[in-house]
Amino acid sequence: QITLKESGPTQVKPTQTLTLTCTFSGFSLRTTGVGVGWVRQPPGKALEWLGVIYWDDDEFYSPSLKSRLAITKDTSKNQVVLKMTNMNPVDTATYYCRGINDGLDAFDVWGQGTMVTVSS
Amino acid sequence: QSVLTQPPSVSAAPGQKVTISCYGSSSNIGNNYVSWYQQFPGTAPKLLIYDNKKRPSGIRDRFSGSKSGTSATLGITGLQTGDEADYYCGAWDSSLSAEVFGTGTKVIVL
Repeated sequence: QITLKESGPTQVKPTQTLTLTCTFSGFSLRTTGVGVGWVRQPPGKALEWLGVIYWDDDEFYSPSLKSRLAITKDTSKNQVVLKMTNMNPVDTATYYCRGINDGLDAFDVWGQGTMVTVSS
Repeated sequence: QSVLTQPPSVSAAPGQKVTISCYGSSSNIGNNYVSWYQQFPGTAPKLLIYDNKKRPSGIRDRFSGSKSGTSATLGITGLQTGDEADYYCGAWDSSLSAEVFGTGTKVIVL
């Protein structure tokens, strides 16, 4: 069974850096084709893709947020970390991590999400 | 910010069929696979359809996906009150080297 869970602060101040950790089980980031990504959703709004890191260390980011984002992985701990700098109230959203595999044993499983509020 | 366009809502009576369209371009839907997600209020999205028309294990065949050119369609037959949710399409965009999602569609069961 594949599970993912996000952890981190529920509130950050403007200009601060947000650090969220995704801890997962049921798959490995050593497996070819596997990736862990991040998606956010402001209250009442649509999903917004943030980025993904793959088993081979390939990283892709949303062009509009690329300068503020960094995604890293710790394969031994089954964790992926998202860092977003210079947080702003418009970044208030629920942040989801998701495990994906584009290969034969395809999967696309999401964590429960964590709400992050940006406020002074 | 959504690159893919969906109708805000669709509705039908129980037992009927609804279709949700997703319009994109050659850089995303036109040349890449489309996925569909179902999201109930306060919960995470769940994969319904991947690779345009494949269903993950456990997804009923009431849900179907198709693609033609730069648009994709999600169909739901035998509509149930439990299908009331938001539905999103998604696809890789080769020009952006990023995944893009649709604007989202609320399904209303009358």
